[in-house]
Amino acid sequence: GQQLNQSPQSMFIQEGEDVSMNCTSSSIFNTWLWYKQDPGEGPVLLIALYKAGELTSNGRLTAQFGITRKDSFLNISASIPSDVGIYFCAGQTAGGTSYGKLTFGQGTILTVHP
Amino acid sequence: DGGITQSPKYLFRKEGQNVTLSCEQNLNHDAMYWYRQDPGQGLRLIYYSQIVNDFQKGDIAEGYSVSREKKESFPLTVTSAQKNPTAFYLCASDWGTEAFFGQGTRLTVV
Repeated sequence: GQQLNQSPQSMFIQEGEDVSMNCTSSSIFNTWLWYKQDPGEGPVLLIALYKAGELTSNGRLTAQFGITRKDSFLNISASIPSDVGIYFCAGQTAGGTSYGKLTFGQGTILTVHP
Repeated sequence: DGGITQSPKYLFRKEGQNVTLSCEQNLNHDAMYWYRQDPGQGLRLIYYSQIVNDFQKGDIAEGYSVSREKKESFPLTVTSAQKNPTAFYLCASDWGTEAFFGQGTRLTVV
């Protein structure tokens, strides 16, 4: 099946630092989604991207849909302790039986030291 | 409030037993999904359903079964054929783009 390579696998940063993570794929996606998961909870949608080249912000979060449609990145500015969690990228293709199914990256575990 | 409800939050199963995880949504979404999450790994698709009375196998369907008799409900049964069922199970739904997740069920085999 399709695979997404998400990096880095983990990050340990100081409060106030900026964070950047990205996902790359061998396949083209027509939607990129970024989720955050707190321990023992379900993932929560942070940002959705629908168009190649699109740059979208949600507070301190900024995400971009790569021009090639095979990659996306997420930036978090001025990190705070509550940013701790696992961040997942997810790509969605269209057509046939694949429509609506998401392919998830392996996740980036973020730790923020006060 | 609209959302997805999974129950129970924690579930313990003896080896050889079947267990059913509940997932209910009131978002009026057509599509529903079940994912499995293991430590250090991403989400892997077990089954999905795009319409009532129809469902498709995902990437790791062996040892699992589902039904979709109502639009709102998509229960997952973990059968005794699943050799390593201890995991965190997540249900999701969408109407074609953004998927929304439930709170998850942690299943432990004792």
